[in-house]
Amino acid sequence: DAGVIQSPRHEVTEMGQEVTLRCKPISGHDYLFWYRQTMMRGLELLIYFNNNVPIDDSGMPEDRFSAKMPNASFSTLKIQPSEPRDSAVYFCASSFQPGQDNYGYTFGSGTRLTVV
Amino acid sequence: SQKIEQNSEALNIQEGKTATLTCNYTNYSPAYLQWYRQDPGRGPVFLLLIRENEKEKRKERLKVTFDTTLKQSLFHITASQPADSATYLCALDEDNFNKFYFGSGTKLNVKP
Repeated sequence: DAGVIQSPRHEVTEMGQEVTLRCKPISGHDYLFWYRQTMMRGLELLIYFNNNVPIDDSGMPEDRFSAKMPNASFSTLKIQPSEPRDSAVYFCASSFQPGQDNYGYTFGSGTRLTVV
Repeated sequence: SQKIEQNSEALNIQEGKTATLTCNYTNYSPAYLQWYRQDPGRGPVFLLLIRENEKEKRKERLKVTFDTTLKQSLFHITASQPADSATYLCALDEDNFNKFYFGSGTKLNVKP
């Protein structure tokens, strides 16, 4: 397996524009997570899905953020409109059910978003 | 409020020594605690998971302890190498859901 695949790796956009981040989880993983990482706040959980269903979106900062998982192999995180304070590295991660011997999150390489 | 504390100061040690990193938490009752390694420009990489009913877990040169009374986990790297230099993050779940919160990490520098 190629691991969790995120695209793009880098995104620079102007304030007010729509940004879409993409993620392909590891095949067979039941859970998908979106995290955001900044120097000030560290890794923050934004939303997570179980079997393509959003379970907890309490970490999504504002209505400008939305996430979808139309099928088991694809998820998107959209920011509309984007603002400079959204600049961060956005990570996608996937995992099996807790309790399995090989349990642990697998993270993608992240998307570095810069909003100017 | 819930808090996960890792030493924000970098840990500098000599090659061959044992590195010990600390993760303290308050207001959590985690069923699982995980440790990850993160290199600059990369995503975190899963290292070890320990359950609340386990006191210690080992994997090669790594050892994790979990004291739910002290609300603390210790992460040890024995016979450390310069290649072990990275930031190490601990993560706790909330109420036995598959939802983990991460500490801010401790940077480890292993000098040759």
